[in-house]
Amino acid sequence: DAMVIQNPRYQVTQFGKPVTLSCSQTLNHNVMYWYQQKSSQAPKLLFHYYDKDFNNEADTPDNFQSRRPNTSFCFLDIRSPGLGDAAMYLCATSTSGNQPQHFGDGTRLSIL
Amino acid sequence: SQQGEEDPQALSIQEGENATMNCSYKTSINNLQWYRQNSGRGLVHLILIRSNEREKHSGRLRVTLDTSKKSSSLLITASRAADTASYFCATDAFSGYALNFGKGTSLLVTP
Repeated sequence: DAMVIQNPRYQVTQFGKPVTLSCSQTLNHNVMYWYQQKSSQAPKLLFHYYDKDFNNEADTPDNFQSRRPNTSFCFLDIRSPGLGDAAMYLCATSTSGNQPQHFGDGTRLSIL
Repeated sequence: SQQGEEDPQALSIQEGENATMNCSYKTSINNLQWYRQNSGRGLVHLILIRSNEREKHSGRLRVTLDTSKKSSSLLITASRAADTASYFCATDAFSGYALNFGKGTSLLVTP
């Protein structure tokens, strides 16, 4: 089945130690998104790619970076994780804007 | 920025009952979407309703949209224990790709 896959499901890192989360898709969608979701809160969009065009949300911290080397893969890099960055990180795809988004099951990030 | 607000924040019902969740938003939209999220999982798209539509059905789901009141409702009929999840509404702008999610309604369906 076509899907969005996030690895790993759980990630533990140390305060200040860079971490990379990965997302892959078999849907061949043009748009890929990264969301941050804290406990009992709504998902918050960090950035998205339309093909290779990168779009950063205005309030996304500089600590968060992203790479999309090809259509299928997208990475979220957190350069110096702080305790406040502990959250579920969700990757999603869509064919274009304003269309239904397909989500992976997320990576739950813990900071020690 | 977060635009949608769901009501109630939590809802507990018994199997077989209907569940109604409401969503209010602040600015004009192109369309409104509803998503379900099971605990510890990603979001699953349920239904999309366009700004020029007033009602839409999908199986046991019925969504209404009132653009004059900037509100939408999701009705789940004949609920099942498997419907236990958080439900989010999401609105978009006429341009761009960002979806603004509400805080969600946590639905518990007990056997």
